[in-house]
Amino acid sequence: SAVISQKPSRDICQRGTSLTIQCQVDSQVTMMFWYRQQPGQSLTLIATANQGSEATYESGFVIDKFPISRPNLTFSTLTVSNLSPEDSSIYLCSAARGSEQYFGPGTRLTVT
Amino acid sequence: DAKTTQPPSMDCAEGRAANLPCNHSTISGNEYVYWYRQIHSQGPQYIIHGLKNNETNEMASLIITEDRKSSTLILPHATLRDTAVYYCIVEPKTSYDKVIFGPGTSLSVIP
Repeated sequence: SAVISQKPSRDICQRGTSLTIQCQVDSQVTMMFWYRQQPGQSLTLIATANQGSEATYESGFVIDKFPISRPNLTFSTLTVSNLSPEDSSIYLCSAARGSEQYFGPGTRLTVT
Repeated sequence: DAKTTQPPSMDCAEGRAANLPCNHSTISGNEYVYWYRQIHSQGPQYIIHGLKNNETNEMASLIITEDRKSSTLILPHATLRDTAVYYCIVEPKTSYDKVIFGPGTSLSVIP
C-alpha cells in the first residue's frame, strides 16, 4: 500500500489569490494524479503529474489555472490560481502502485 | 464517456449482505473491473479488482459474469461503517493509467 498526505487539509482563500496544495507519498511511485471533487459530486480528474516533464491535463483544465509540479517520485504540488468561488471544492491527489491507486485525504478549499 | 452504469443509491440492513451491481457492457478484453469506495470526508479506498474470475479478499467479493458485461460487489456482512459511495471502474491493469470515476452507488447501511 501507499500512505499519502496532503497539506493543507483545508483553507479559506480570497477571490483572486492562489493556493498551493502539497502531496507527499511515503515511498516512490510512478504515477501521481490530481482530482477535484465538487460538493455532492464524484471525482473529476484534473491532470496526471509526470515526473521530470509537464503534467498532462484533462479536457477542461489548463496549466495556467492549475499549474502542477512533480520534482521527484514522492512529491507533487497543485496550485489553483486566480481563485473564484467556483473553485471551492475538495482537491485530492492519488498515486498508482501496481494495479491499485491510493488517495490522499483531500484538501477542502473555500473561496470567499 | 461512462464505461459503467450503477444504481445511484441502495439501502442494506446491518449484518446482511450488500450486493452492489455494475453494468459494463462495452468492456474490452484487456480491461479489469475495479471497485473503490469513498466514505464521507475521506479519499477513495481501493476494495478489489478482477478480470474474469471471481475474486475475494478481506473486504469483499467480486462476482463477474461469464460474458464480463456485468459484475456484483458483495459485502458479506454489512456494518454501519460500510456506508459510503461505491465506484465501479473499468480500466486496463497497469499502474500508469488514470482512474476515471463515474457517479457511483451511495450505499446506506441501516441499523
